[in-house]
Amino acid sequence: DIQMTQSPSSLSASVGDRVTITCRASQGISNSLAWFQQIPGKAPKSLIYAASTLQSGVPSKFSGSGSGTDFTLTISSLQPEDSATYYCQQYNSYPLTFGGGTKVEIK
Amino acid sequence: EVQLLESGGDLVQPGGSLRLSCVASGLTFSSYAMSWVRQAPGKGLEWVSGISGSGGGTYYAESVKGRFTISRDDSRNTLYLQMNTLRAEDTAVYYCAKRQYRNSGYLDYWGQGILVTVSS
Repeated sequence: DIQMTQSPSSLSASVGDRVTITCRASQGISNSLAWFQQIPGKAPKSLIYAASTLQSGVPSKFSGSGSGTDFTLTISSLQPEDSATYYCQQYNSYPLTFGGGTKVEIK
Repeated sequence: EVQLLESGGDLVQPGGSLRLSCVASGLTFSSYAMSWVRQAPGKGLEWVSGISGSGGGTYYAESVKGRFTISRDDSRNTLYLQMNTLRAEDTAVYYCAKRQYRNSGYLDYWGQGILVTVSS
């Protein structure tokens, strides 16, 4: 199985800050990497797929990069509504696997 | 607009069984692979099971293999998860999710989730 390691597990940043979350796969997954945002009590919402393609309707302040084993999600200017938990997920092969999540809080 | 609506969640005793359903609308259901993903209280996301668009391929997490069965009825636009020999650790919100393509792709649409509680 492919293990997905996310870091940090939590972070606190100020409004307007640039925030970066990293995700590492235990083996190469090409660009088969998606990022999700989850607000408590809600279903996950897809933000990015194919490592760097923005889901339709998602603000351009979100961006993704990487290929192979190392990936990043960047929020260019953090806003209060971005307070959530973010997950990466590989879909290169079954079993599909998620990172442990990064909880983003606003200072 | 794609919509996925889960049902069938309940409180069940350890060792019991439950069947979850997910009705899809706004898409040609048979054309897409589907998955179930769960989230235990206060925990992260865990993929549980997947099925190909043709229904010919089924896949399971080790934690549920031999106890859960995924299936689909394309005539009813419905995905199922039969859960047997339930354990306390199966307590979670269960989401159904659509994959981008017939046999691959990311999970592009999710249902709102349904709670399964396993407790005596």
